[in-house]
Formats: sequence, structure tokens, C-alpha cells
Amino acid sequence: DAGITQSPRHKVTETGTPVTLRCHQTENHRYMYWYRQDPGHGLRLIHYSYGVKDTDKGEVSDGYSVSRSKTEDFLLTLESATSSQTSVYFCAISESQAGGPYNEQFFGPGTRLTVL
Amino acid sequence: AQKVTQAQTEISVVEKEDVTLDCVYETRDTTYYLFWYKQPPSGELVFLIRRNSFDEQNEISGRYSWNFQKSTSSFNFTITASQVVDSAVYFCALSEASSARQLTFGSGTQLTVLP
Repeated sequence: DAGITQSPRHKVTETGTPVTLRCHQTENHRYMYWYRQDPGHGLRLIHYSYGVKDTDKGEVSDGYSVSRSKTEDFLLTLESATSSQTSVYFCAISESQAGGPYNEQFFGPGTRLTVL
Repeated sequence: AQKVTQAQTEISVVEKEDVTLDCVYETRDTTYYLFWYKQPPSGELVFLIRRNSFDEQNEISGRYSWNFQKSTSSFNFTITASQVVDSAVYFCALSEASSARQLTFGSGTQLTVLP
């Protein structure tokens, strides 16, 4: 299994508070991703990173920011959490091949976030 | 824009039955990749297969097989002789060359295999 950990695994917070989720990998993979999983929507991409300090937005990026200061860590921040951000958050990693990240993505165990 | 549709929200079968999970995709690219992932009740996502758009050969891995048909934009997944341990949510996903870093998932199919 790919070495991916997420912390915390569970978090309950209140509306308006900042929250940071951490993804840590030991695979030295170039690409890292943050998804959220909600019933009826599958997984939707929030942000991704294609290298240290290189990030871009995904499908549902509003209300989220990310940072990647080291290859192994990718942080997802909710600046001011809202109830609509209650979800399960998954981090994923992949390596690139021939100029495109067509390799499969390997997922972390997920973080269950509840915003009251 | 890329899109993946898994019309079957839930499927229930009895152990040892064969079951096919449907996946239909939309893309304007000629180069793309298709994936299947399994999410068992424990919640982790497990990679099952990757298929590129230039390879329409069907693939078999044990009790699992995949049928890729570009003519109907489908990438269906069949489990032969299903087992209780196959109970999970199965996701189909697509990655296009033009938006290479985005993996678009279908909404998933919940498969329940009854003993």
C-alpha cells in the first residue's frame, strides 16, 4: 500500500472556525490531491499540487486553500468552516509518466469533518 | 467537459451470481484514461484498474473483468461468482488529456452481495 496518512482522522468544529487538514506521503510522488466525498456526488476534486509550491484549483475549490512547502506534505485549509463543508476528505497521490499524470491515484484513509 | 455516469445507484445480488456495474463517460478528448476504484465498508479507496483510450482489449483479473467499448462510451465492470466480500461502493473515473490532472468520478454504485 502507498504510504499516505491523513490527520486528523476525525474532527468536529464549529461554523466560522479555521480548520487545517494534513496529508503526508512517504512515496516521493510528485502529484497530490484533495477530494471531498458526499452522498450522491462521488468524489470531487478540491485542489491539487504538481510540485512544491505548485498548486491549482479543482472543481469545488471555493472556501478552500492549500499549501505544499515540502514534497511529502499537502495541507488543506478551510479559512472559515461552514456546515456545507461537512464531508469526508480524501488525499491522493500519483506519479507522472510521459508528461501527464495518467497513473492511478492512491488514496489516504480519509478525514471525517463535521462542521456544526 | 468530462463526465462519468453510473446510473445504477444500488445493486443487490445473491452470492455466486454474476453482476455487471455500468459506467458511461463523456469526453471530447481522443486521449483519456478510465479507472475503477472499490470502497469497502471500511471506507478506504482501492484502485482496481486503469485503461487508456487506445486499448480496447477487455481485461480479466480473477473474478473481475472489464469491457471497454469506445463506440458506446462505456467501461463496464463484471464480477463473476460474486462473494460477500465484494460488497462495496464501486466508482468509475475518467482523466482527460486536456485536463490531465483532474480525475472525474461517477457517483458510485453500492453493491450488496447477500449470503
